[in-house]
Amino acid sequence: DVKVTQSSRYLVKRTGEKVFLECVQDMDHENMFWYRQDPGLGLRLIYFSYDVKMKEKGDIPEGYSVSREKKERFSLILESASTNQTSMYLCASSSGGGDYEQYFGPGTRLTVT
Amino acid sequence: GEDVEQSLFLSVREGDSSVINCTYTDSSSTYLYWYKQEPGAGLQLLTYIFSNMDMKQDQRLTVLLNKKDKHLSLRIADTQTGDSAIYFCAESLGGYQKVTFGTGTKLQVIP
Repeated sequence: DVKVTQSSRYLVKRTGEKVFLECVQDMDHENMFWYRQDPGLGLRLIYFSYDVKMKEKGDIPEGYSVSREKKERFSLILESASTNQTSMYLCASSSGGGDYEQYFGPGTRLTVT
Repeated sequence: GEDVEQSLFLSVREGDSSVINCTYTDSSSTYLYWYKQEPGAGLQLLTYIFSNMDMKQDQRLTVLLNKKDKHLSLRIADTQTGDSAIYFCAESLGGYQKVTFGTGTKLQVIP
């Protein structure tokens, strides 16, 4: 059974803080993704990675960076959190190309005050 | 770029059929998906259809694809309260291309 875990379910940070969101998958998947989910906007891709130490920008990478030092772990970094980054952040992983099922974590609801 | 659009909200009575609609703009999409998000959880794949198919049925779920109009629909027969969730359609060109998700439709099932 594939499991994708995220380090926190809820997080409250102050404007300007550096924020780390961690995601771990246990199925040896090559691909990992970070999305943000906002009402009325659906899921928007922030960054993705097809291999260790590789990363690709998604549709809304501004204000974010990522790190993938190990295959099972994909971190999303907010260098200087801002209030417009208050959102639900979802991590996903998949074993192959875009035609493969993505497995999602439960999400981290981040509030930046 | 691709845009995948859905209506935001649908309300149905328990036992009725639900039809959730989606339109997409990239005619090259090879794979079209329906994901379900239950409250407090991540998304879970419900079903998918290849672009060379018109219809796919899986128990209570029927997916219809109209490539000419770039329209995808998900029909849930005999809708139950456990079907209350947000439903996302998504498209992909296949290979190592990214998946683009729609805005999501919140389905409310009234007992």
